[in-house]
Amino acid sequence: AQTVTQSQPEMSVQEAETVTLSCTYDTSESDYYLFWYKQPPSRQMILVIRQEAYKQQNATENRFSVNFQKAAKSFSLKISDSQLGDAAMYFCAYTGANSKLTFGKGITLSVRP
Amino acid sequence: EAGVAQSPRYKIIEKRQSVAFWCNPISGHATLYWYQQILGQGPKLLIQFQNNGVVDDSQLPKDRFSAERLKGVDSTLKIQPAKLEDSAVYLCASSLGFPTDTQYFGPGTRLTVL
Repeated sequence: AQTVTQSQPEMSVQEAETVTLSCTYDTSESDYYLFWYKQPPSRQMILVIRQEAYKQQNATENRFSVNFQKAAKSFSLKISDSQLGDAAMYFCAYTGANSKLTFGKGITLSVRP
Repeated sequence: EAGVAQSPRYKIIEKRQSVAFWCNPISGHATLYWYQQILGQGPKLLIQFQNNGVVDDSQLPKDRFSAERLKGVDSTLKIQPAKLEDSAVYLCASSLGFPTDTQYFGPGTRLTVL
């Protein structure tokens, strides 16, 4: 079975600084996709970024980028120029061609003004 | 483009009562999912529909939970009777249709069982 591990329960970053959120996963599938979702206090899950495993290039979306290390099964999220609105829970998630979307336990990110 | 709609946003009931949640997916999305998210955890898939057929309900407690998706669009999730441990946020999501398509989530329904 596929597993997603987010070992850091909480992180804090100063406004305008950069922070990296860690995620590792385990799978035997060769075709899969990885996601980072943001969940603010309103509880709505918002897609931050998506990475296809077959792509070597790391995905970027404005201030958000990933470091995808396929061999190490690592998928970290970097948030640059952190803003107060970035404060939320962040979930790493995995889905494969033959498996359902599996979430990690999440990490709470706080942003200090 | 309208997102995934859910109602109600909040519901408080007593144990052994019944409750129903409604979801309207993004127009054109063939696949619809219901997740249960207990406080402090990631969402857990309860049931997945492809059009109006069930693809995966392996983690749905079928003795008390039921779901349907009539006409392949809207869906309802019902709990009867509710238990204290059912207190959670129930999230609905939809996607175009393939397993690896991005899922888009609704605002969720926060259920409190007293």
